[in-house]
Amino acid sequence: DSGVTQTPKHLITATGQRVTLRCSPRSGDLSVYWYQQSLDQGLQFLIQYYNGEERAKGNILERFSAQQFPDLHSELNLSSLELGDSALYFCASSFGTGKSEQYFGPGTRLTVT
Amino acid sequence: AQKVTQAQTEISVVEKEDVTLDCVYETRDTTYYLFWYKQPPSGELVFLIRRNSFDEQNEISGRYSWNFQKSTSSFNFTITASQVVDSAVYFCALSEARGAQKLVFGQGTRLTINP
Repeated sequence: DSGVTQTPKHLITATGQRVTLRCSPRSGDLSVYWYQQSLDQGLQFLIQYYNGEERAKGNILERFSAQQFPDLHSELNLSSLELGDSALYFCASSFGTGKSEQYFGPGTRLTVT
Repeated sequence: AQKVTQAQTEISVVEKEDVTLDCVYETRDTTYYLFWYKQPPSGELVFLIRRNSFDEQNEISGRYSWNFQKSTSSFNFTITASQVVDSAVYFCALSEARGAQKLVFGQGTRLTINP
């Protein structure tokens, strides 16, 4: 158990809908990272937050957004969902943005039908 | 741009054999970190090791060992006396030492250990 929690574990929704994925980092970790794992793209970095502020953006679609709250949990919002958004979404956390390794949550499997 | 290549898509061996997973990386940074993660059939990503680009010493942890060679931009992972529980997809990853430290992953190697 990495100490990172993600909810829900599974999510099935229809095209055009909006969903919110939630992540709670390990106790004491200030950074939260979101990654997407799909069959065609592999594991891709989406976005990072550090202590409530956005720090880096990767290949994140404009239909996707995220935020980190004062209690350090993070939410990833996916809107206008398309079939191609079906993937495993991972959250990872680390203490800082410097020399810390990232520990991953169990992931949320999103299926868009 | 950073890139990680794991040329071996799938490897299948018999239990107790030794197996090496290859990882080759590209980066313009002089300081960076290299990682290995394991993804068992249950789906979670398990951290195995982080290596600083300044530290080229090989590392051993039980049946696992890692060989970092800066001259060939490789960070290979060897499992000695493999066990069925080692069956998983293994990912090599690279991150810059400064800034956001986002992980750039290879495509992964699916390792199957047969009894």
